[in-house]
Amino acid sequence: AQKITQTQPGMFVQEKEAVTLDCTYDTSDPSYGLFWYKQPSSGEMIFLIYQGSYDQQNATEGRYSLNFQKARKSANLVISASQLGDSAMYFCAMREAYGGATNKLIFGTGTLLAVQP
Amino acid sequence: DAGVIQSPRHEVTEMGQEVTLRCKPISGHNSLFWYRQTMMRGLELLIYFNNNVPIDDSGMPEDRFSAKMPNASFSTLKIQPSEPRDSAVYFCASSFLDSGYTFGSGTRLTVV
Repeated sequence: AQKITQTQPGMFVQEKEAVTLDCTYDTSDPSYGLFWYKQPSSGEMIFLIYQGSYDQQNATEGRYSLNFQKARKSANLVISASQLGDSAMYFCAMREAYGGATNKLIFGTGTLLAVQP
Repeated sequence: DAGVIQSPRHEVTEMGQEVTLRCKPISGHNSLFWYRQTMMRGLELLIYFNNNVPIDDSGMPEDRFSAKMPNASFSTLKIQPSEPRDSAVYFCASSFLDSGYTFGSGTRLTVV
């Protein structure tokens, strides 16, 4: 069964510094996708970045990058140049693939990030 | 595109009452997911549909919960009868193949 683990319940980072949020996963499916979502205090779920299991390069989206280490089954999110608006809960999620149809997205427990001025 | 639309945004109801949550997915998306978020249990997948057909409802807590998707543009999640422990934020999300998952704004349910 697929499983996502986020071991950091909360983290602090100084404004303008980089921060890494950890995520490890477990799956027996060779084809899977990894996602990161941001949930600010307003409650909405905002998609940040996606990494496919067969992607050769680490995904990047603006200040977000995903440090994908397939052998270690880790998919850490790196936020560069943190901003006050980055303060939020961050969720790692995984989808296993089958038959070309969309499969369910399973979430980790989240990491609460606080950016300090 | 208006995104995934959920209604109501907030619902307060008395224990024992029936509650119906509604979701309109993004046009063209063929998969729809219902999640529940609580402090204790985090984000749980309740049920998901592909092409209006329920694929996995193993996350539905008990028979008091039911979900339907009568057409590609509408889904409901019903709780009957509601209990205080059902209080949570309920999210609907939709997706098309590997295009990513778009979430609605959620419905905050309080059962008193």
